Amino acid sequence: ETGVTQSPTHLIKTRGQQVTLRCSSQSGHNTVSWYQQALGQGPQFIFQYYREEENGRGNFPPRFSGLQFPNYSSELNVNALELDDSALYLCASSLPRANTEAFFGQGTRLTVV
Amino acid sequence: DAKTTQPNSMESNEEEPVHLPCNHSTISGTDYIHWYRQLPSQGPEYVIHGLTSNVNNRMASLAIAEDRKSSTLILHRATLRDAAVYYCIGNGGSNYKLTFGKGTLLTVNP
Repeated sequence: ETGVTQSPTHLIKTRGQQVTLRCSSQSGHNTVSWYQQALGQGPQFIFQYYREEENGRGNFPPRFSGLQFPNYSSELNVNALELDDSALYLCASSLPRANTEAFFGQGTRLTVV
Repeated sequence: DAKTTQPNSMESNEEEPVHLPCNHSTISGTDYIHWYRQLPSQGPEYVIHGLTSNVNNRMASLAIAEDRKSSTLILHRATLRDAAVYYCIGNGGSNYKLTFGKGTLLTVNP
């Protein structure tokens, strides 16, 4: 186990609803990144948080937003859910350097119906 | 981040070595080469990373070409637990994000 925990593990929501996913990072890691993984695809970078500030964003609309807390845990919020938002959402914690490893959680499987 | 190219799938037999190739011809001088793998129903798992020199750890070895335009992940003795999708990623800069492609699906036969 990596020490990165995500909750919930599975979730079913209705189109148009809002959802909040949670992530507890590995001890000592102040950087948290979120990824979306559609079936059969590699994970796609949503955004990254460093010291409670957004520190980079991928090609995702503003209805995807996040927070990072003083203990470095993080939330991903998605508003106005669409069917295409159905995916595995992964959280990764790391130090803010390119020459270090990221630790991923098991993910939250979101199904939008 | 550098664009990487990997074969869609590869097959190996148990207890034999596996060489997983990756092309990254647009890599910059400061991009690290990372490998992650993803077992079914799990999040990605770090395997190894390097910059210029070959690297070894308890999981695998990473052989980086002298011109850095390609690299090879080496699993010295494949086990059934090594069956996974393997991702090669060129990453650099202070904004630590990983740009995943589709990866290589490794099948290990008993």
